[in-house]
Amino acid sequence: DTGVSQNPRHKITKRGQNVTFRCDPISEHNRLYWYRQTLGQGPEFLTYFQNEAQLEKSRLLSDRFSAERPKGSFSTLEIQRTEQGDSAMYLCASSTSGGARESRATDTQYFGPGTRLTVL
Amino acid sequence: GDSVTQMEGPVTLSEEAFLTINCTYTATGYPSLFWYVQYPGEGLQLLLKATKADDKGSNKGFEATYRKETTSFHLEKGSVQVSDSAVYFCALSPGGYNKLIFGAGTRLAVHP
Repeated sequence: DTGVSQNPRHKITKRGQNVTFRCDPISEHNRLYWYRQTLGQGPEFLTYFQNEAQLEKSRLLSDRFSAERPKGSFSTLEIQRTEQGDSAMYLCASSTSGGARESRATDTQYFGPGTRLTVL
Repeated sequence: GDSVTQMEGPVTLSEEAFLTINCTYTATGYPSLFWYVQYPGEGLQLLLKATKADDKGSNKGFEATYRKETTSFHLEKGSVQVSDSAVYFCALSPGGYNKLIFGAGTRLAVHP
């Protein structure tokens, strides 16, 4: 399967612990996105990378959250000192991108299955 | 800021009924519009998209037309099947950016 993969699929942790999630995008995709989805809501944008550069971060991404994509391939999302309000599904997506002229054509984002985080 | 509003669910239909799920948006500039679907136990999948006004996206019998004058992108299907039961999300991508802004989702249940 050459789709977007995420690990782990489920994570249960105690409040105050740190957790790290991994996302492996489709191999030729240079853009990688993180979203958070709570029950009954649509996904909310957190951040995205083009290659290894983190180009945009949402205000939802507090200082307890950090994302990296060190070699422009896989990405990790770490949450420090977890809180019960962090319980959600964390989704990763990837896409290709053209140059600035093509940006409005909007390449399709392909989503992974998500990591469900439960903070007790 | 930019936002998407879609009709609340659940929507319950009998097989072969006509489906409409309303979606309206607020955006500056010229966003691209999308419908994503999430089947039970699966990840989000792109269903269809439209990148400019009056474009019609279509896939698997579903259609949606980008209406700039009414800022809408309603999803329609002429005859639904049990296998269409899923949660449907309307989304936009603001002009010049690829991040997606989603609506809250509409759950569709189709009964035989």
